[in-house]
Amino acid sequence: GIQVEQSPPDLILQEGANSTLRCNFSDSVNNLQWFHQNPWGQLINLFYIPSGTKQNGRLSATTVATERYSLLYISSSQTTDSGVYFCAVSAYSGNTPLVFGKGTRLSVIA
Amino acid sequence: KAGVTQTPRYLIKTRGQQVTLSCSPISGHRSVSWYQQTPGQGLQFLFEYFSETQRNKGNFPGRFSGRQFSNSRSEMNVSTLELGDSALYLCASRDLNGEKLFFGSGTQLSVL
Repeated sequence: GIQVEQSPPDLILQEGANSTLRCNFSDSVNNLQWFHQNPWGQLINLFYIPSGTKQNGRLSATTVATERYSLLYISSSQTTDSGVYFCAVSAYSGNTPLVFGKGTRLSVIA
Repeated sequence: KAGVTQTPRYLIKTRGQQVTLSCSPISGHRSVSWYQQTPGQGLQFLFEYFSETQRNKGNFPGRFSGRQFSNSRSEMNVSTLELGDSALYLCASRDLNGEKLFFGSGTQLSVL
């Protein structure tokens, strides 16, 4: 099946710093989403982005499908950005379920 | 619009028992998926239901089962619980275009 690798596994930032999280996938995808899991376990959908670039406030994401990677940018980080960020993809073959990466654990320190 | 609702939030069971978890999707969403999250294995797909039919199934033993009702609410059942079944069980529903996935808060199951 499709493989999803996220890097780095852990990241510690000072409040106000910027960061880039990466997601590599092993096959063509028809669906790619980024999620943030907060310390209470809630998974929040950040972006649906199988290709192209999107922005939402301080967050933006870019997927280069032909090169099989996606990037999540966090600017001017805040302590509330702490948590685990997951990339999830489904292969280009109909209604296949999302496969999640292991995540990047982000800690933002005041 | 209410989000995905999962009940109960926490459960404690003993080995050998069975458990039923409930999930109500966002109004209008007809697809419901279930995922298991553990520290060692991460997020793993259990199954997906669409209009009361199982559409996809992950690589889990037959002790894990589910169903979906005509109002799109879904339940999952785990029989003969094992210690390794301790996990956060997450339910998600897809939007009308079947693209974005929206998750509930999960049910934290502890098997003693």
